[in-house]
This record gives sequence, structure tokens and C-alpha cells, in this order.
Amino acid sequence: QSALTQPASVSGSPGQSITISCTGTSSDVGSYDLVSWYQQHPGKAPKVLIYEVTKRPSGVSNRFSASKFGNTASLAISGLQAEDEAHYYCCSYAGRNSPYVFGTGTKVSVL
Amino acid sequence: EVQLVQSGAEVKKPGESLRISCTNSGYSFTSSWISWVRQTPAKGLEWMGRIDPSDSYTNYNPSFRGHVTISVDKSTSTAYLQWSSLTASDSAMYYCARPHVSGSSWYDYWGQGTLVIVSS
Repeated sequence: QSALTQPASVSGSPGQSITISCTGTSSDVGSYDLVSWYQQHPGKAPKVLIYEVTKRPSGVSNRFSASKFGNTASLAISGLQAEDEAHYYCCSYAGRNSPYVFGTGTKVSVL
Repeated sequence: EVQLVQSGAEVKKPGESLRISCTNSGYSFTSSWISWVRQTPAKGLEWMGRIDPSDSYTNYNPSFRGHVTISVDKSTSTAYLQWSSLTASDSAMYYCARPHVSGSSWYDYWGQGTLVIVSS
């Protein structure tokens, strides 16, 4: 089971929009609408931003949105803010044998 | 309030055994799986495995199967991650996590993490 592929880093200026991709296979991202996204600040536990591809938990800013096409999921952050500077991870269900696989992680920098 | 509280940091030597814990409160412990996630600077987050506290049924990531053991103690609402023989590559931060509700595919409850350092 290989990790989902994310870009190592993405950067943007305050107010801009950025997108982070998450590429898997037909055995994980492509087969299930069970992709979630997590934000992690240094020294903190991950925090869920998106679940089931597009849904936002209560309390998560609507500046975060997500989608999926084929084997690739994407997270978009609009109106980039300094507080968005963090690592972001996707996660997909991958079947009963080894249910979950995380992405390689993306460091978002706000210039 | 749902809380997952993990045991403190550990410094061990290669070949030693270790068990770290994750004590759960604020909900019915047997109602939801508990998963363990490893984090290293090199590989980021890795899903290690999970356990159903109601019957101790486990799923492991093949990469970790046979090297770690996940267990629970229902009497104390505690989940454990255990190694019988540590190696330097086990040095990492370890998180326990619980899905939003039983059967959910996403985790919204996390422990604070347990740092494990394995060094001679």
C-alpha cells in the first residue's frame, strides 16, 4: 500500500487561492468517495478540514473546499491567511484489508 | 467531551519493549474503533492499524503487521500500541485517533501524541 502523492510544498500570498492535489489509485481514491483532508500546525495533532471528499465539519471555514476526479482529489484554500500556514494531508479509505492511507503531506507557506 | 489522552514521551534502546497508551473518556469506549497513526519527518502520517474495542478485532497496515500489536483494556477505556523489540526506525510521534462516529471514515478526535525515541 503506497502513500497518496501530494506536492511537497505550495505557497501563495495572503488573499490568494491555492490548490493541493492528492493522487492515489483505482484501489483507494478512485474507488471510494471517502477522502478526507487534515491540517496540522507544528506540535499539534491533525485537524480534519474535509471529509467524504467535499463535506466540511461544523466550525471549519468555508475558505476550504475540496473535490475529486478519478484517482485525484484536491483541496482548495481561498483567501489565504497567515494562519493557513501548516502541513496538509489527504487520507483515503482503501478497502477492508488495510483501510486507510495518508498522503505524503504538503507544506503550505503564506508569503 | 470526548478526550483521548496519551502517555508521555519515551526514550528506549534498540531491542527493548514498549507499550504506549491512549485513555479515552467522554463517550462509550466500545462504540467506536481506535486507530494509531505514526508520524515521522521523512514519511509524514502513516496509518498503522485500528482496533474495535467491543471485541478487540484488529486491522493492520501490512507495513506494520507483525511489528506492533494493538490492544485495549475495556475496564479502563484504554487502547495500547506495543512493540516487543524496538528499532531505531520506530522513532516517531504516535497518535491515537477516533472516528467522528462509528463507521465514519474520518478522524475528528485525536490524542496529543506520544514521542518515542529509540537510540543506543
